[in-house]
Amino acid sequence: DQQVKQNSPSLSVQEGRISILNCDYTNSMFDYFLWYKKYPAEGPTFLISISSIKDKNEDGRFTVFLNKSAKHLSLHIVPSQPGDSAVYFCAASARGSTLGRLYFGRGTQLTVWP
Amino acid sequence: EPEVTQTPSHQVTQMGQEVILRCVPISNHLYFYWYRQILGQKVEFLVSFYNNEISEKSEIFDDQFSVERPDGSNFTLKIRSTKLEDSAMYFCASSQGPPWQEKLFFGSGTQLSVL
Repeated sequence: DQQVKQNSPSLSVQEGRISILNCDYTNSMFDYFLWYKKYPAEGPTFLISISSIKDKNEDGRFTVFLNKSAKHLSLHIVPSQPGDSAVYFCAASARGSTLGRLYFGRGTQLTVWP
Repeated sequence: EPEVTQTPSHQVTQMGQEVILRCVPISNHLYFYWYRQILGQKVEFLVSFYNNEISEKSEIFDDQFSVERPDGSNFTLKIRSTKLEDSAMYFCASSQGPPWQEKLFFGSGTQLSVL
């Protein structure tokens, strides 16, 4: 069940530069997408979301882009900070086809070095 | 900020034993969930709960699993006869609205080790 894919298990970026994390999905019914951040020994923490009626959503240093035709979304972090080092999960859900399920990718470990 | 709390943080049990994982969701939330993450793998959906009943469950959530909201504040996951492959980090989550509209808030998890 690989409906949400994060093909890069890790990403290393220098502080101050842009981090770009990518996510692909296969289910065309998905219409709500989220990014979660996870530190070791903690639960996932919500970062930013986007619904399928938009192609971009910004919140401070974080921007999510959605390309529906390519079934692709990306998370941009600008500028990257050492505190951003964590595992980032892409998640998706579909209105109507399910009442309660988020589908997660495998995560990308982001390391921001000084 | 309100948070989802889970107890215990770690649980060690023998294969075949019953375990109960406990969660206190955020008080005004209406939707409740259990997810799990086996080491090195993705976060997997187990079950969602709304209006005092299961609204969806995954293929993983077989007859060995059950959920309960016994008193209006707690939300529990019971595994009747644990297997080695049940070893995972179990996350409870809650949300105000359905997952296609509202973000989920996750607890810090219970690390279950089945020996």
